[in-house]
Amino acid sequence: DAGVIQSPRHEVTEMGQEVTLRCKPISGHDYLFWYRQTMMRGLELLIYFNNNVPIDDSGMPEDRFSAKMPNASFSTLKIQPSEPRDSAVYFCASSFGWRGSGANVLTFGAGSRLTVL
Amino acid sequence: DAKTTQPPSMDCAEGRAANLPCNHSTISGNEYVYWYRQIHSQGPQYIIHGLKNNETNEMASLIITEDRKSSTLILPHATLRDTAVYYCIVRADRGSTLGRLYFGRGTQLTVWP
Repeated sequence: DAGVIQSPRHEVTEMGQEVTLRCKPISGHDYLFWYRQTMMRGLELLIYFNNNVPIDDSGMPEDRFSAKMPNASFSTLKIQPSEPRDSAVYFCASSFGWRGSGANVLTFGAGSRLTVL
Repeated sequence: DAKTTQPPSMDCAEGRAANLPCNHSTISGNEYVYWYRQIHSQGPQYIIHGLKNNETNEMASLIITEDRKSSTLILPHATLRDTAVYYCIVRADRGSTLGRLYFGRGTQLTVWP
């Protein structure tokens, strides 16, 4: 099991450019989450999917952010246009859904560190 | 939407037990308590979870008070590799859906030699 795989690990871009972050969840997991972490705000949930359908995107900061999950094994988080305040570490996580034992255990990827100049 | 309260930092000597407290006084009857930790520059890692009974696994023990308003994560023999931020989380209940997990600021545990 390779775990949750994110790419790129590091991205440096200039303000105004489009940024696409990618995530491959653990096979069989039916929930996928995108989190953002900054020193100021800590770990924030941006959006999560269940069976490839977005369930709650209330954490997405603004229209410049969009996320898709075209199939069970792939998701993208896109920022267009990017701004310096978007600089953060973006984590993807996946899990099985409710199993009646409270075992909503999230497995996180290693993160994508984004720097917008 | 913080539902838990944790001390911002704690220290522990290597080889000693680390006891990390968490207050969750507004927890609902069907909400679970989860603990995760985040080692610097890595993604958060699941440690343990529980509803009302004490739980133990290979990583840690979780003690939940009888009124469920607080809990303690115990690392029985802390090592330098246990230095991390520890998050206590109460699972947001959205009926049959997963809901949101609020990580808060956690407790920075520093294990010293």
